[in-house]
Amino acid sequence: DAGVTQSPTHLIKTRGQQVTLRCSPISGHKSVSWYQQVLGQGPQFIFQYYEKEERGRGNFPDRFSARQFPNYSSELNVNALLLGDSALYLCASSPAPGSSYNEQFFGPGTRLTVL
Amino acid sequence: AQKVTQAQTEISVVEKEDVTLDCVYETRDTTYYLFWYKQPPSGELVFLIRRNSFDEQNEISGRYSWNFQKSTSSFNFTITASQVVDSAVYFCALSEADYGNNRLAFGKGNQVVVIP
Repeated sequence: DAGVTQSPTHLIKTRGQQVTLRCSPISGHKSVSWYQQVLGQGPQFIFQYYEKEERGRGNFPDRFSARQFPNYSSELNVNALLLGDSALYLCASSPAPGSSYNEQFFGPGTRLTVL
Repeated sequence: AQKVTQAQTEISVVEKEDVTLDCVYETRDTTYYLFWYKQPPSGELVFLIRRNSFDEQNEISGRYSWNFQKSTSSFNFTITASQVVDSAVYFCALSEADYGNNRLAFGKGNQVVVIP
């Protein structure tokens, strides 16, 4: 079975541009979470979606937005890019939120570089 | 608010030595879950172990073992007889059950370098 997939693998943008990152969860998983990992730091929670509804939001500005589609895939959008948005963006899927026991399965990430 | 602290930044060991990683957490919840993840150079986070707040029994899984002590809010992780393939960044993470989601709060990570 395929794991969590993310695209693109790498991305280079300039300040002020907009970017869209994509994630496909493991088959059968209905929840997708997004994390930002700046170099040398642990991942920081951005969003969680379940059944197309936002179930959680981390401490990120409104420039960050996301959505989940009927097939449970998800997109993360970042507007007006700043140099500080350069990071590895990780997507994780799980069967359902609310039960924190559920292990989250992570994808390989998208490496975003903002110049 | 949930918080996870991993004090050491980089740890170097010679192959076959044991390595222990320290993790201290903060939470106001009585029900929570603790995790250890491994991140090799490829970047993908790999789940290693999980523990819930009601079970302080320490266990061994292959070369991995953990020591969970609620009294000191610590969840330490040990790799026995380290191998070069264990070289990676290791993250401790906490998930609180009271949220409507299963968001993870990660520590800053420990870079483990196993020298052959």
